[in-house]
Order: sequence, then structure tokens, then C-alpha cells
Amino acid sequence: QKEVEQNSGPLSVPEGAIASLNCTYSDRGSQSFFWYRQYSGKSPELIMFIYSNGDKEDGRFTAQLNKASQYVSLLIRDSQPSDSATYLCAARGGSYIPTFGRGTSLIVHP
Amino acid sequence: GAGVSQSPSNKVTEKGKDVELRCDPISGHTALYWYRQSLGQGLEFLIYFQGNSAPDKSGLPSDRFSAERTGGSVSTLTIQRTQQEDSAVYLCASRGVGLTDTQYFGPGTRLTVL
Repeated sequence: QKEVEQNSGPLSVPEGAIASLNCTYSDRGSQSFFWYRQYSGKSPELIMFIYSNGDKEDGRFTAQLNKASQYVSLLIRDSQPSDSATYLCAARGGSYIPTFGRGTSLIVHP
Repeated sequence: GAGVSQSPSNKVTEKGKDVELRCDPISGHTALYWYRQSLGQGLEFLIYFQGNSAPDKSGLPSDRFSAERTGGSVSTLTIQRTQQEDSAVYLCASRGVGLTDTQYFGPGTRLTVL
């Protein structure tokens, strides 16, 4: 059974710090990886996607992928209180149906 | 351009009634997904459409749940004889062609079964 594991948290970081969110996946056939942000009472919003090993940067966000270790991470630099949300990791293979983790709750405190 | 839209945004119904939830995907997106999210829980996959066909409906919880998609666009999720455990937010997402295309979610329909 395909699984995506995330620490439920909450992960608490001070404003301005780097928040590091981690995710592992079980299906070695996974080819595409996604990070979504979900505010309370709202639907998931795409933050980053990554397909190749290594780092991908977009503004304050960096996604990291290590297929050998089946590990995906999201780094948020200069964390802001507005970044406080649940972050969902998803992995997708050839079936086109992504497997979602249960999410990590991030709290950025002033 | 316009994103994924869903209607209604909220639905309150009595136990035993049927409900229909609608999803309008992003124009041109061929893939459409339905998920369910109960309070404080993760996303539960329900069904996937590619065009008008549903190659994977393995997530539908029971035969009370059905979905269709017409014209490769609008999709309707129907829940018959609703039960209190059906109360959740029902999310629709759409995706364009290609492995690298990403999935975008609609705002969801909050269903409450009394």
C-alpha cells in the first residue's frame, strides 16, 4: 500500500527562523512530489512541486528531493506568522492518483 | 484564469436525504478528482476521472456514493440516503495533461448531515 508519512506536529518556530518540514514515501515508483499549504477551514493550495533529485527554490520556499532515501522536504526561510498552516506532502506515480500525507501543522510565533 | 469551482459551498441536510455536489474544473483540465476531508483528518481519495470515464473509483466508501462527469467538464458527486458519518468537506481537484501537470483544488463543499 502506498503511503506518505509526515510528522503531525505541531512544529513551532519563531518568526524569521527556517521551518523544515519532512515527508517520506513508500512507493519507489513515485515520480512527482507536491507540497500544499492548507489554512484552517480552507482547501489545499499548491506551494511547490518537484520531480528531480536535488533542490528547487521559489522565493522563501525550497523543496528538496532524495529519491534514493525516498525523502522530500520543504524549507521555509524567514518564516512569518502568515505561514502558520498545515502542510500536506503528496507523491504521485504513473497512476496519476497522488497519495497524500496527513499533514504537518506549522506554527510561527511572533 | 478561473480556478476550480464547487457548489454549494455549504449544504445542510437531514439524515436519509440525497445530496448532489457539483464541481467545475479548470477549463481544459482532463483529469478530475474527488476527495473527502473530515474535521482534523487527512484527505481521503474518492474517485478519479480522466475525461468522462472513471478509471479509479476505489475510494468510494459505499454504493450510496456515485459520481459522473459529462462533456469532459462538470462533475457531480451524489450521496444517497445520507448518514451522519458522511458529514465532511468534499473537495474537488483538477489537473491538466501530462505527468508534470499539477493538481489544483476547489474551495470545497461542507456537508452537514443532521
